[in-house]
Formats: sequence, C-alpha cells, structure tokens
Amino acid sequence: DADVTQTPRNRITKTGKRIMLECSQTKGHDRMYWYRQDPGLGLRLIYYSFDVKDINKGEISDGYSVSRQAQAKFSLSLESAIPNQTALYFCATSDGSRYTGELFFGEGSRLTVL
Amino acid sequence: AQSVTQLGSHVSVSEGALVLLRCNYSSSVPPYLFWYVQYPNQGLQLLLKYTSAATLVKGINGFEAEFKKSETSFHLTKPSAHMSDAAEYFCAVSDRGSNYQLIWGAGTKLIIKP
Repeated sequence: DADVTQTPRNRITKTGKRIMLECSQTKGHDRMYWYRQDPGLGLRLIYYSFDVKDINKGEISDGYSVSRQAQAKFSLSLESAIPNQTALYFCATSDGSRYTGELFFGEGSRLTVL
Repeated sequence: AQSVTQLGSHVSVSEGALVLLRCNYSSSVPPYLFWYVQYPNQGLQLLLKYTSAATLVKGINGFEAEFKKSETSFHLTKPSAHMSDAAEYFCAVSDRGSNYQLIWGAGTKLIIKP
C-alpha cells in the first residue's frame, strides 16, 4: 500500500459543486501539504499543516479550505468549484523533526470542473 | 526570498546521449537542494538530495547532481539517456529562512528521441 493515499484519483464535476479531496498517510509525519500542479507553472502550495491544530495558507488558498482531522488525514475542499480549478492536486507529507524539507507525495487527484 | 530557476521548459536528447538539466537557486543561507521526477500519470518521487554532505550527489536510475556554491547551481546529469528517463523533472530548495518549506522550479520536461 502507498504511504500517502489520495482519493479520488480522478473526478469530473460541474461548476458550483462542492468537492472534497482526501489524503491519508501511514508515514507518521507531522507535516502535510496540498499542492496544485498546472502545466508550465510547476507546483503551487495551497495549504499546509504542521500538526492537527496548525493550519496555514499557502500562496494560492483562495477558493479552497482544508481540514486536518487527525495526524494522518488532511482534506482539501472546494466549496464552489469553478473551471479554473481544473488541475492535478497533490498531497504531500514531511518529517518536521528532520528539517530538510524533503516531501513524500501521493499519486495525485485529477480534478476537472466543467 | 528564495527562488529556483530551471533553464528550459523542455529538453530533448537522443537515447544514449548526455542528459543535462539546469537548476539555479538563490538562498542567503546554506540550502538543502532536491531533484524530483514525475513520470507520466504518476506522483513526484525524490531523485536525489543535497543536505550539506558531499557536493556530488548520486541518485536513483544513474542520475547525479553537483552542488556548486560559487555558481549557485545544482544541475542534474546522466551520462547516457534511456527511453525510460522521459519524464518531468523538478528542482527545489529549502533552507532555514523558509522554515524548510520547499521552493519549486517550474519543471523541465525531458524528451528522449530514439
């Protein structure tokens, strides 16, 4: 089984719908992240969490919200999806005690908003 | 602020030829440097990392990178390209100033010609 699991892997939805992307990890890491990948733009950070009670906005948090339900679970929500949120979304984790920044990624969730 | 520049959004090489993917960074303190690879329809995986030990770092699949402080570079090389190396490659930097958050380059897509 993968260390970082994302569900769903693919989702097609319509404008205005609420969408939740879920991430769970078995690595025991404190830090979890949500990134968005668009062609030619690389990876952009949406939200990150250093522990269950610590949630921080990244560079593109508008239109998104997150919930850290437990150390191992971090969900990303789009309250009212719009077409320019069509992208590939990645969850990642890191070991906060090692202070190098190395990230471990899930397989990605491809979201299409029509 | 830290930044990462990857020269060339696409690099094309013939099978068997040298692979050179360029990465330059800016950081005011000693950095940690990473190369990640993303194969088609997959998540990102760590290729190699520099964490202040040897300046020449060897990674998976025959790749290596050399940290050159004077040039603020961390270029990725492989002596002989294989068709299976076709992927997108991302360079990233973290340091104490960014609280060890990764700063990403825009990515370079490596194309292997038969």
